Amino acid sequence: QITLKESGPTLVKPTQTLTLTCTFSGFSLTTSGVGVGWMRQPPGKALEWLALIFWDDGKRYSPSLKTRLTITKDTSKNQVVLTMTNMDPADTGSYFCAQAFSADWFFDPWGQGTLVTVSS
Amino acid sequence: QSALTQPRSVSGSPGQSITISCTGTSSDVGGYNYVSWYQHHPGKAPKLMMFDVDKRPSGVPDRFSGSKSGNTASLTISGLQAEDEADYYCCSYAGSFTLLYVFGTGTTVTVL
Repeated sequence: QITLKESGPTLVKPTQTLTLTCTFSGFSLTTSGVGVGWMRQPPGKALEWLALIFWDDGKRYSPSLKTRLTITKDTSKNQVVLTMTNMDPADTGSYFCAQAFSADWFFDPWGQGTLVTVSS
Repeated sequence: QSALTQPRSVSGSPGQSITISCTGTSSDVGGYNYVSWYQHHPGKAPKLMMFDVDKRPSGVPDRFSGSKSGNTASLTISGLQAEDEADYYCCSYAGSFTLLYVFGTGTTVTVL
């Protein structure tokens, strides 16, 4: 059974850096073709893809957020870490991680998400 | 690149069929057969309902079907059930050189 779980701070101040961790089980990020992606959903708004990292350490970022995002993996801990700099209240929302595949373009399964509020 | 356009809400009575549209461009929906659909009950993990336009993952009822015509993809739920009430999002691969994925604006399905 594959599971993913997001963790990180629930509250960050404007201009601070957000660090989120996706801890997964049931698969390995050393397996060819496997990846982990991050998405977010502001309150009452649509899902937005943020970043993706593959087994071979290939990384892709949303062009609109590329300068603020960094995605890394720790295969020994089965974790993927997303950092987002210069947080703004507009970055408030639920953040999700999910398994991805280089040979196909969908996310499955997803974590339950973690709510991040940006406020002073 | 803008989000894919979905109707804000769709409703139907139990047993009826409903269709959710997802309109993009030739750079995403129209350019690739990589449209996926996700069911999201707030507070829970989004669930994959359809991938590669019309492929159902194991465990998804065959009441759910997908299709695509030009720049518009669709998810049809036949024999609507109360448990289908949720938010639905489409997602399309958008090419490897710019935005990798683009999601839809989301549709709230209400079972009357």
